[in-house]
Amino acid sequence: NAGVTQTPKFQVLKTGQSMTLQCAQDMNHEYMSWYRQDPGMGLRLIHYSVGAGITDQGEVPNGYNVSRSTTEDFPLRLLSAAPSQTSVYFCASSPDQLPSTDTQYFGPGTRLTVL
Amino acid sequence: AQKITQTQPGMFVQEKEAVTLDCTYDTSDQSYGLFWYKQPSSGEMIFLIYQGSYDEQNATEGRYSLNFQKARKSANLVISASQLGDSAMYFCAMRGNAGGTSYGKLTFGQGTILTVHP
Repeated sequence: NAGVTQTPKFQVLKTGQSMTLQCAQDMNHEYMSWYRQDPGMGLRLIHYSVGAGITDQGEVPNGYNVSRSTTEDFPLRLLSAAPSQTSVYFCASSPDQLPSTDTQYFGPGTRLTVL
Repeated sequence: AQKITQTQPGMFVQEKEAVTLDCTYDTSDQSYGLFWYKQPSSGEMIFLIYQGSYDEQNATEGRYSLNFQKARKSANLVISASQLGDSAMYFCAMRGNAGGTSYGKLTFGQGTILTVHP
């Protein structure tokens, strides 16, 4: 049971390049989310999914796309990287419904730098 | 909309002493959950403690307790008997329960950096 895995751990891009951050979980969780963490700020929600085929926007969705073709995977795509997207990206998953006390399980993060 | 406010950018505490990290929140949801996470310098997010809005007792998990004052909309984290390994960034977060989609969405505060001195 690996939990939530993210690849790559580090990435450097040039402005305008595109790439996909991978996220996978093996806990059969329905809910998956992507957050970004900027210096001096807490995590902010980019996109989330409540199940395969269902996604929705979070607080800061611009410049990112997601899809959820399987329960296990939730990739985040940067369409045309910009320096403002330099950040640490966290993927998280959580089970649906109760118990509501259950927390989200976070991946180890991807540190992205856009030059 | 939900909002979490952590007003202490940094806190210092002596080893073995207790420390309180402040968190206030704002929400229109009747039912919600409050979380505290620890983020050490290695970067991972570690879940510490949870408080439900209808829980009558304050949550406790080992050396961590959550001082929940619903009327004041505060959910302060108390760490007793601080250890050097407690030095980290601490985040308060909230999840609404107004419908199933809320389980995928957390709102975070800006965090408090805790430094434990020997």
